[in-house]
Parts: sequence; C-alpha cells; structure tokens
Amino acid sequence: GAVVSQHPSRVICKSGTSVKIECRSLDFQATTMFWYRQFPKKSLMLMATSNEGSKATYEQGVEKDKFLINHASLTLSTLTVTSAHPEDSSFYICSARDSNRASNTGELFFGEGSRLTVL
Amino acid sequence: AQSVAQPEDQVNVAEGNPLTVKCTYSVSGNPYLFWYVQYPNRGLQFLLKYITGDNLVKGSYGFEAEFNKSQTSFHLKKPSALVSDSALYFCAVRDPYNFNKFYFGSGTKLNVKP
Repeated sequence: GAVVSQHPSRVICKSGTSVKIECRSLDFQATTMFWYRQFPKKSLMLMATSNEGSKATYEQGVEKDKFLINHASLTLSTLTVTSAHPEDSSFYICSARDSNRASNTGELFFGEGSRLTVL
Repeated sequence: AQSVAQPEDQVNVAEGNPLTVKCTYSVSGNPYLFWYVQYPNRGLQFLLKYITGDNLVKGSYGFEAEFNKSQTSFHLKKPSALVSDSALYFCAVRDPYNFNKFYFGSGTKLNVKP
C-alpha cells in the first residue's frame, strides 16, 4: 500500500530556532501534499496544501511566513517552522494523495506525525 | 459548507461486544466519506471509504460502516470489539467541489476493556 514517511517523529528545540519536518511519499507520486496540525484531544486542522513546483496554499489564519512549505519534487514536501515559540508546540501530520489515482475517489495517506516541543 | 460531526467524545465497550462509533455529515453534493484510526503519537490510518454503490462498506481490521442517506449518517461498526481496537477514530468527508480538501470530525476515543 501507499506509504508516507515523515521525519523526524519527535523534535525538541529552543525558542527562536527553526525546525524542518520532511514528508515523503515512498511508493507513489504526490503532486499535492497536505500539512495538518493536531492539538491535544482535538481534530486535525488543515494548515496548507503543498503543490509540487509552485507555492503552497495556506488556510485562513495560518501564517505563511511562520510555516514555510516547500514541495520540490513529486515525493517530498517540507514544513519549516521558523522562529519557533512554545505555542508552536504541537503534533504536525502530513498527508498525500496518489496523483495517479482518480482524484474523486482516492483517500489520503498520512505520515506518522512529528511531535514538536519548543522550550 | 461541508462538515462532519462525531457526537461522542468517547465510547466504551467490552471486548467481544459489538461497537458503533457515530458520524453524521453535511455535504452539498454527493458525499465521499472516510473513516480513519489514530493510535497514540501516530499518524492516521485509512480504514474504509464510501464513494458510491453498496451502503454497507467493509474495511480494514473487520470494521464496516453503513451509509444512510436519509439520516445523513456514516456510522462505523464492528461485530466484536478487540482491546487492540482502542484508539482515536476520525470520520471525514471530502469536499465534492475540491477533491483536495477533507473535513475531519472531532474524533471519538474508543476504549475497549477486557
């Protein structure tokens, strides 16, 4: 089945530093990937849609300068949390859809998530 | 606007008993419905989906879901619960006008006790 790999699974950083999270589709191509944020005991909040070779589309209220997204290839998207602060601590999950499958029936495949803790 | 509701924050069931996790949806257009499961500190795993066809959809790990158009529901079911089924379950609906956009319910924590 389709596998999405996310790295790192856990990261602890100091306030003010930047952290990069990678999301890779291992056995399929994904022209579009999605970044979600999950707060404790809460549902997933879509942050942005990452488009291969073009700018990401951010959801309302998400700071694009804070959460930099790059989708340089058909199998890799990165999320960089810039100048991280404790309130950025969260569980970040990426997902992707197989570009070769029918767009109206394909489910999303999710990475394992990255737990960010900003001290 | 598209949305899903999971009315129960938590469902408790004894091992071996049937389980139901509820989901209702609101969609303008044909609904594309999904169930995902999340184990602690993990990503979401796909369980099953309804696109069209039979109202009873069978998925992974013995789970099934019944699409009910008149009640706008898509409840997740399993005839006999296992302790290992304990996890967080999310219902989701895909936007029929933007296939890239999914709307997730708030999640239901399933506790299966031995």
